[in-house]
Amino acid sequence: AQTVTQSQPEMSVQEAETVTLSCTYDTSESDYYLFWYKQPPSRQMILVIRQEAYKQQNATENRFSVNFQKAAKSFSLKISDSQLGDAAMYFCAYSTDYGGYQKVTFGTGTKLQVIP
Amino acid sequence: ETGVTQTPRHLVMGMTNKKSLKCEQHLGHNAMYWYKQSAKKPLELMFVYSLEERVENNSVPSRFSPECPNSSHLFLHLHTLQPEDSALYLCASSQGRVQATNEKLFFGSGTQLSVL
Repeated sequence: AQTVTQSQPEMSVQEAETVTLSCTYDTSESDYYLFWYKQPPSRQMILVIRQEAYKQQNATENRFSVNFQKAAKSFSLKISDSQLGDAAMYFCAYSTDYGGYQKVTFGTGTKLQVIP
Repeated sequence: ETGVTQTPRHLVMGMTNKKSLKCEQHLGHNAMYWYKQSAKKPLELMFVYSLEERVENNSVPSRFSPECPNSSHLFLHLHTLQPEDSALYLCASSQGRVQATNEKLFFGSGTQLSVL
C-alpha cells in the first residue's frame, strides 16, 4: 500500500520569505502523480501544484515549486515570497490510475503560519 | 472555481438519529468521492462513484450509506453513529476520464459532524 509522510506538523515563515514543506512517499509503482493541496480556514481544499513521476523537470506554478527526487521518493514544496494568504494546511498527495477515477493517498498535513 | 457544494456546513446529531449529507457538483464530472478528515490523521477515502456506479468502498461501517442518484449529486446517509465518527466529511469530484491519474480533485467545503 502507498503511504505519504509529512514530518512537519507545523511550520512558520516570515512574510516575503521562502519556506519548504517536506513530503516523502512509499510506492512500488513506476507511474504515478504527486500533488500538493492547500486547505485554508474555509476548509475547501484546492490544488496548488502537481508533478508527473515520469517527468524529471520539477513543476512550478508562480511562487510555488517542487523538488521531486524520484529515487529518494521525496516531493517537497517551496513557497517563495510568502504571503499572508498562504497560511493554511498543506497536504501532500499521491495518485495512481484506476481507470476513470482517482485513488488519492494523502499525508497528515503541515500547518503553515505566515508571520507579518 | 470549485463548483462543489456541500450541505449542511455543520451537523450535530445524537447516536440514534438519522441524517444525510448532500453534495452537488455542476462541473460535468463523472467521478465523485466521500472523504473523512479527522484531526492529525490523513484524509480517509470512504467511497468513490464513477458514472454513478460505486467503485470503491474502503471498509466503511454500514452505518454510513452512500447514494449517487445521478452524476451531479452524492449523498451520505448516516444512522446510529458513534462519537468517534465525529469529523469533517469532504465531498470531491473529478472529470473521470479513462486515464485519470493526473486529474485534480475539486472539493467542497465539507460538513463538520459532531456525534453526541
